[in-house]
Amino acid sequence: DIQMTQSPSTLSAFVGDRVTITCRASQSVNSWLAWYQQKPGKAPNLLISKASTLQSGVPSRFSGSASGTEFTLTISSLQPDDFATYYCQQYSNYPWTFGQGTKVEIK
Amino acid sequence: QITLKESGPTLVKPTQTLTLTCTISGFSLTTHGVGVGWIRQSPDKALEWLADIHWSGSTQYSPSLRSRLTITRDTSSNQVVLTMTNMDPEDTATYYCAHRVIGAGLDYWGQGALVTVSS
Repeated sequence: DIQMTQSPSTLSAFVGDRVTITCRASQSVNSWLAWYQQKPGKAPNLLISKASTLQSGVPSRFSGSASGTEFTLTISSLQPDDFATYYCQQYSNYPWTFGQGTKVEIK
Repeated sequence: QITLKESGPTLVKPTQTLTLTCTISGFSLTTHGVGVGWIRQSPDKALEWLADIHWSGSTQYSPSLRSRLTITRDTSSNQVVLTMTNMDPEDTATYYCAHRVIGAGLDYWGQGALVTVSS
């Protein structure tokens, strides 16, 4: 199985901060990498596919990038609605696997 | 408008078989490139992919659970069914079904079904 390692596990930030979450794959997943946002009691919501393709309706302050097996989710200016848990997921190889999540908290 | 909704028991006993149904609308299970997957989330919030069925009817399973899982579809009823045998308290989780297309992530999710395994 491909292991997905996210960092940090928890992140405290102010509204307006630039926030970066990293996800590292244990082997190449090419760009078959998705990012999700999850709020308490809700299903995950797809933000980004193919490492950097923003889903329709997702604010442009979210962006994704890739460098080899390291992937980054950036929120350019954190908004109150962005406090949530974020997960990466590879869909290059079965079994698809998720990172352990990064909780973004209010500082 | 694509929607998915999970249904099934909220409580099962250890060793029993769990059957969950995902009722879909707004898309066809046989459209090229479309798939429906099942994912669960344990109380510690870890997400685990379980199984997937493609537009062609082909299936994929998590190797660690393969012996216990079966995913099927009923195209006339627009449903995807997941069965998991020999349930254990460790299988307590929220179970989600989700839509996806080739090359993209899981873009539409059901609301989730909380399943507790306890005697």
